[in-house]
Amino acid sequence: SQQGEEDPQALSIQEGENATMNCSYKTSINNLQWYRQNSGRGLVHLILIRSNEREKHSGRLRVTLDTSKKSSSLLITASRAADTASYFCATVPRAGNNRKLIWGLGTSLAVNP
Amino acid sequence: DVKVTQSSRYLVKRTGEKVFLECVQDMDHENMFWYRQDPGLGLRLIYFSYDVKMKEKGDIPEGYSVSREKKERFSLILESASTNQTSMYLCASSSSGTGREDTQYFGPGTRLTVL
Repeated sequence: SQQGEEDPQALSIQEGENATMNCSYKTSINNLQWYRQNSGRGLVHLILIRSNEREKHSGRLRVTLDTSKKSSSLLITASRAADTASYFCATVPRAGNNRKLIWGLGTSLAVNP
Repeated sequence: DVKVTQSSRYLVKRTGEKVFLECVQDMDHENMFWYRQDPGLGLRLIYFSYDVKMKEKGDIPEGYSVSREKKERFSLILESASTNQTSMYLCASSSSGTGREDTQYFGPGTRLTVL
């Protein structure tokens, strides 16, 4: 099945810096979602952006969506050690079975104290 | 808050054993999913269900079966466990109703080791 692609695969920053992760996808979508996974745990939904939205904020998170380029970015501002996790993007395709999410392979973020 | 629970956090089984992984959600979600997660391969969908007694194959159904007899419970069955099924198994649920937009809620995962 098609998958999104995140880049970078891994990112290491210092506490207080901003972290930016990118996601590209292949087909038209209804929405795009970002999830976080702490080591060895289940995923937690962070934020959803609809195909007719360009930018969305939630606390220290900012998500942008460019449907013409089929890409999204997740910005975490003023990062903390607790933000250390893997971050996944997932899309709900416009066509086909839209109950299934199409997942990227994730970006591993390390925030050093 | 949605709660998705999985029957075990860690499980060790022997090759050839029949293995049952149970998942229960408490938010009346119609959709439930089983994934496996392996390093470098991301989340791969094994099976999903969007109604009681309904199931559909995902991307990697071989060697697995599922059961959904009640709306809140979705079971993954490894008919004859093999070492290549050693993995992290994640259960998720979602609702496709208006406003829900297929956000998935995950359980804590079961790390299965097959010896």
